[in-house]
Amino acid sequence: EAGVAQSPRYKIIEKRQSVAFWCNPISGHATLYWYQQILGQGPKLLIQFQNNGVVDDSQLPKDRFSAERLKGVDSTLKIQPAKLEDSAVYLCASTRGTRGDTQYFGPGTRLTVL
Amino acid sequence: TQLLEQSPQFLSIQEGENLTVYCNSSSVFSSLQWYRQEPGEGPVLLVTVVTGGEVKKLKRLTFQFGDARKDSSLHITAAQPGDTGLYLCAGVTGNQFYFGTGTSLTVIP
Repeated sequence: EAGVAQSPRYKIIEKRQSVAFWCNPISGHATLYWYQQILGQGPKLLIQFQNNGVVDDSQLPKDRFSAERLKGVDSTLKIQPAKLEDSAVYLCASTRGTRGDTQYFGPGTRLTVL
Repeated sequence: TQLLEQSPQFLSIQEGENLTVYCNSSSVFSSLQWYRQEPGEGPVLLVTVVTGGEVKKLKRLTFQFGDARKDSSLHITAAQPGDTGLYLCAGVTGNQFYFGTGTSLTVIP
């Protein structure tokens, strides 16, 4: 089966610009996660969807970050406006069911904010 | 936020040496997972441990879940350059995952 797809793989923008990332999870996976990973550190959860509903967005900086998962399939994460500290890798992951099982990660989008 | 601290943060060893990575938390989890991440890629699951005191072996890797289900360790025997990467533990509660701070391992040929 195809893995989790993400695009773009790399993005360079200037601060105060906007950027959007796209994720297509594995077919049939109900739960989708967006993580932010600073180089060399563990991923930090930004938002978790179950189908098209939000389960947890407690660590999402809502003044600048937004995410949606229309129709419960693919998802977009947007940053507007970007700050220097947003430079990181943004990882998307999915799991099949509603209980903790194997998370499958995409390759990530590396964002550099200048 | 449930915190998982990993130690050491960085580890550089010679090929053939043994090493242990620790993952500690004050929270109890229903299970604990270990992932390995290589540069430019997403983390890949290595193992899931569920029962307190459980030990799982995956070739040269041995994983242990603490009796109280709060901590875990990963032991690698006779490390090889292919083991190089970022090792991440993740505590699981329901369908929520809490990642550790990460251990960056470099195995020098």
